[in-house]
Amino acid sequence: SQTIHQWPATLVQPVGSPLSLECTVEGTSNPNLYWYRQAAGRGLQLLFYSVGIGQISSEVPQNLSASRPQDRQFILSSKKLLLSDSGFYLCAWAPGLIPSYEQYFGPGTRLTVT
Amino acid sequence: TQLLEQSPQFLSIQEGENLTVYCNSSSVFSSLQWYRQEPGEGPVLLVTVVTGGEVKKLKRLTFQFGDARKDSSLHITAAQPGDTGLYLCAGARGGTYKYIFGTGTRLKVLA
Repeated sequence: SQTIHQWPATLVQPVGSPLSLECTVEGTSNPNLYWYRQAAGRGLQLLFYSVGIGQISSEVPQNLSASRPQDRQFILSSKKLLLSDSGFYLCAWAPGLIPSYEQYFGPGTRLTVT
Repeated sequence: TQLLEQSPQFLSIQEGENLTVYCNSSSVFSSLQWYRQEPGEGPVLLVTVVTGGEVKKLKRLTFQFGDARKDSSLHITAAQPGDTGLYLCAGARGGTYKYIFGTGTRLKVLA
């Protein structure tokens, strides 16, 4: 069966510090991978998605970036965090080789920028 | 900008009552998903509907995709406290890998 991991679970960082959130998927190959951010109790905002190694599509211009160095690894980064970067970050995967209309989410990372 | 509007935004009901949550858009989607999310956790997929007019049932939950594939509804019969959570709809456009999420409906079922 497939599993998705995110870490860390919670993170408190000062303004201006760098960020690295990691997401890995097990039990599947060539997944489509996604990073979302969620404001408290609201819907999800798509930040980045990737359909293959090194292929990143950005949805929202901001000081965040994403990378996919391996097939099942997706990393969200920032060089200098802003207060507005605080939120709940979710990684998700979807089957990539066949048409799929389903996404499976990781447990999320709660980021607080102080 | 493609939007999926959910209504109501908040809903607090007594155990045993019925309720319906709506997910509406002006855009056509190739599929629509419903998720439930607990505080501090990732959303969990409940169902996917892909055909206009399609109805799916999951125990006390009934999901319907609109005939024109622009809207969907989630009906819960005899709600229980375990149904409490944030309900999210998400739509996928044909030919893309992107999903548009709805604004969310927070449901609280009181015992």
